[in-house]
Amino acid sequence: RKEVEQDPGPFNVPEGATVAFNCTYSNSASQSFFWYRQDCRKEPKLLMSVYSSGNEDGRFTAQLNRASQYISLLIRDSKLSDSATYLCVVNLGYMNYGGSQGNLIFGKGTKLSVKP
Amino acid sequence: GAGVSQSPRYKVAKRGQDVALRCDPISGHVSLFWYQQALGQGPEFLTYFQNEAQLDKSGLPSDRFFAERPEGSVSTLKIQRTQQEDSAVYLCASSTLTATDTQYFGPGTRLTVL
Repeated sequence: RKEVEQDPGPFNVPEGATVAFNCTYSNSASQSFFWYRQDCRKEPKLLMSVYSSGNEDGRFTAQLNRASQYISLLIRDSKLSDSATYLCVVNLGYMNYGGSQGNLIFGKGTKLSVKP
Repeated sequence: GAGVSQSPRYKVAKRGQDVALRCDPISGHVSLFWYQQALGQGPEFLTYFQNEAQLDKSGLPSDRFFAERPEGSVSTLKIQRTQQEDSAVYLCASSTLTATDTQYFGPGTRLTVL
């Protein structure tokens, strides 16, 4: 079982639509959670961190459910420029000497295509 | 300010060749990570440095992969006797010391092994 699982899509939506992505993670010790965005042939870029209380950044809302080990991302009023792959990411959140807990664990990504 | 830079951006190697990939992290960033991203997959962790110390190399797929950061800034990922399955994008990321700090990624080196 992959440590972070997400629906690969593609999600093809019209401009203005609301779209939701979901992701599950297997390690209950995970402490930090993120959504990264990756454009075609570019590097991943942090979209937003995800907190249990939920957080919103403009048209983007992220939510974490620790009990279910589930992370979501909601995009409202989608724009053409939102077309990209969205990567769900977790981090065990601590570093010990010789440990690897600082590294990010990525899902395969969900591809979003917003059409005019 | 300058972000993370990587060179070369593209590398084509014949099977069996050795390659060296360079990463220049953001100035002052203590932590440096290497990831491998195969086509259609998310990035996968290879190795981690804190300053010049390689604290974790558990993600390196074989002993043909070697990484160093001798002066705690620039890092080099070396792949010996390249194989076709090594074809991927190699991403470098840097961050400040705290584990939860944002990791900033470089543009990657796209390696193609023929």
